[in-house]
Amino acid sequence: AQSVTQPDIHITVSEGASLELRCNYSYGATPYLFWYVQSPGQGLQLLLKYFSGDTLVQGIKGFEAEFKRSQSSFNLRKPSVHWSDAAEYFCAVGSYSGNTPLVFGKGTRLSVIA
Amino acid sequence: ETGVTQSPTHLIKTRGQQVTLRCSSQSGHNTVSWYQQALGQGPQFIFQYYREEENGRGNFPPRFSGLQFPNYSSELNVNALELDDSALYLCATGRDTQYFGPGTRLTVL
Repeated sequence: AQSVTQPDIHITVSEGASLELRCNYSYGATPYLFWYVQSPGQGLQLLLKYFSGDTLVQGIKGFEAEFKRSQSSFNLRKPSVHWSDAAEYFCAVGSYSGNTPLVFGKGTRLSVIA
Repeated sequence: ETGVTQSPTHLIKTRGQQVTLRCSSQSGHNTVSWYQQALGQGPQFIFQYYREEENGRGNFPPRFSGLQFPNYSSELNVNALELDDSALYLCATGRDTQYFGPGTRLTVL
C-alpha cells in the first residue's frame, strides 16, 4: 500500500533563511507527487506537482521540489522564507489514473521567526 | 482561488445526529473526492465520485455516504454521528490533480 512519510513534525526557520521540508513515499507504480499548503482553519492549496519529465519542479510562491526516484523522496525547498510562509505543509502521492486517491503525509508545521 | 466552495463553514452536532455537507465547483470537473482531516493529521480519503457514481472508497463505515449531482456538485452524509467524527471535511475536484475547497469544520458533542 502506498504511504507518505514526513519525518519533521515541526520546523522553525528564521525569515530570509532557506527551507527544506522532507517527504518520502512508498508506491508500487510511477507516482504522481504533490505538495499542498494549509493555513490555520483553511483548505489545502496546491503548491506544485510532479507527474513526469524534469525532476526539479517549480511551484507557486517561490517553492520548488526535486523528485529523486532512487531515494523515493520529493523534498520541498525555498531559498528565502517569508513570514507569510508559516503554515502546515503536506506531501501527497497519487497515480496517473486518478482512480487512486491521494495519500497524504501527516504534515510539517513551519514556523517563521524574525 | 480554486473555485471549490463548501457549506456550511462550521457546524455543531450531537452524537447520534445526522449531517449533510455540500460541495460545488465552478470548474465543471466530473470527479469529486471527500477527505476527513482530524486535528493534527493529514487528510484521509473517504470516497470519490465520478459522473455520479461512487468510484472508490476509503476505510470508512457505511454511515458515511455521498451523492454527486448532474451539475457535479456533491454531498457527504454522515449518519449516527460519533465523537470521533469531529474533523475538517474537505472536498476536492479533479482527477490527476485535485483542487480543494476550504472545508467544513464539524464538531460532534
